Amino acid sequence: QVQLQESGPGLVKPSETLSLTCTVSGGSISSGSYYWSWIRQPAGKGLEWIGRIYTSGSTNYNPSLKSRVTISVDTSKNQFSLKLSSVTAADTAVYYCARVAASGTTGAWFDPWGQGTLVTVSS
Amino acid sequence: QSALTQPASVSGSPGQSITISCTGTSSDVGSYNLVSWYQQHPGKAPKLMIYEASKRPSGVSDRFSGSKSGNTASLTISGLQAEDDADYYCCSYAGSSPLYVFGTGTKVTVL
Repeated sequence: QVQLQESGPGLVKPSETLSLTCTVSGGSISSGSYYWSWIRQPAGKGLEWIGRIYTSGSTNYNPSLKSRVTISVDTSKNQFSLKLSSVTAADTAVYYCARVAASGTTGAWFDPWGQGTLVTVSS
Repeated sequence: QSALTQPASVSGSPGQSITISCTGTSSDVGSYNLVSWYQQHPGKAPKLMIYEASKRPSGVSDRFSGSKSGNTASLTISGLQAEDDADYYCCSYAGSSPLYVFGTGTKVTVL
């Protein structure tokens, strides 16, 4: 059974770059027709899709964050990563990684999810 | 692309049935049968409950069912139980950026 685990600093200073890694266990990140995604949730608020990556390296990002986001994959380590630059307090949130299952060739639903990691932007 | 619209809260007594609506547009919910629903307990990660509008993953209780008509998807929980007390989010594939749009979320309270 595939499991995902986020890791990275819990505190980032304003204007710096947030960096998180998602480690996939229980299966190869390269197997099957899956995308791998990042989603975030500010405290007390809803979910926001950040972006996704295929193991080929192809990416799609939310336009609201596109200028600041980079998602990459390291198949040798069974990991994918998120970098969000020029962070502000508005980027404080719980960040989740998730596998995106496909309906045909369309990545369609998120399952499973990592447990989430809280990232606070503060000086 | 705006968030999909859900009622802020829905409540019901144990054993009752409740339905949560998720209203989008012809660009997302109305164009694709790719609506999913997630249950989230406080401090926990979301859990997939329904995918492709009406399909239930293995291990999810058959008390949960989904449907879609036009631009609106719905999640019905029948035989409400205390453990169903949680937040619920819908999500739709949108085909263009952003590729996925989440709902505003609904707090389900079991009275």
